[in-house]
Amino acid sequence: EVQLVESGGGLVQPGGSLRLSCAASGFTVSLNYMSWVRQAPGKGLEWVSIIYRDGKTSSADSVKGRFTISRDSSENTIYLQMNSLRIEDTALYYCAKFYYDSNGPVGYFDYWGQGALVTVSS
Amino acid sequence: SYELTQPPSVSVAPGKTASITCGGNNVGSKSVHWYRQKPGQAPVLVMYYDSDRPSGIPERFSGSNSGNTATLTISRVEAGDEGDYFCQVWDSSSEHQVFGGGTKLTVL
Repeated sequence: EVQLVESGGGLVQPGGSLRLSCAASGFTVSLNYMSWVRQAPGKGLEWVSIIYRDGKTSSADSVKGRFTISRDSSENTIYLQMNSLRIEDTALYYCAKFYYDSNGPVGYFDYWGQGALVTVSS
Repeated sequence: SYELTQPPSVSVAPGKTASITCGGNNVGSKSVHWYRQKPGQAPVLVMYYDSDRPSGIPERFSGSNSGNTATLTISRVEAGDEGDYFCQVWDSSSEHQVFGGGTKLTVL
């Protein structure tokens, strides 16, 4: 059974840093595409970052240069290192497995965690 | 950057048909995926590659995509279909995943 469990959320001051973790079970993260998607309170879904099977990464313009997605194959875990946090980064951060086929990143998010809440406030 | 436009809300009586649209420039040339999110829960995939249903999603759910509009259609709507629905595509120009703003489906 596929499971994704996020951790590391919390309250941080503007300009601060936080690292989210997503522990996966039931599949191997290094053989898949993995992503972070966030949702501000009362708002819609916003794609944040993705790490591909070959280790290449891509991030939304709103977080580029501040957030970094990575993975640890030995722990079967992905991470989101968030630096220079802003008030507008306040959101529930979901870890999601991304299904892809020969079409590459044209796929979809087939499994989601329950989310980690990040609050940026002074 | 590529944008997807959804109506903020759709209301439908039980047993009737609900249509939720997702508009974008030439979205018909892209693969559109749909998610439903209920309050306090993570999103769940309800349609992929325009018109494919995941296992566990009733046949009442169908999808189409042509021109500038993709549509998720729910027939014989039930109270359990309520929730926020989001469409998603991959924008090859930016190499970014893109979500629509979401549509709140209310069953009257």
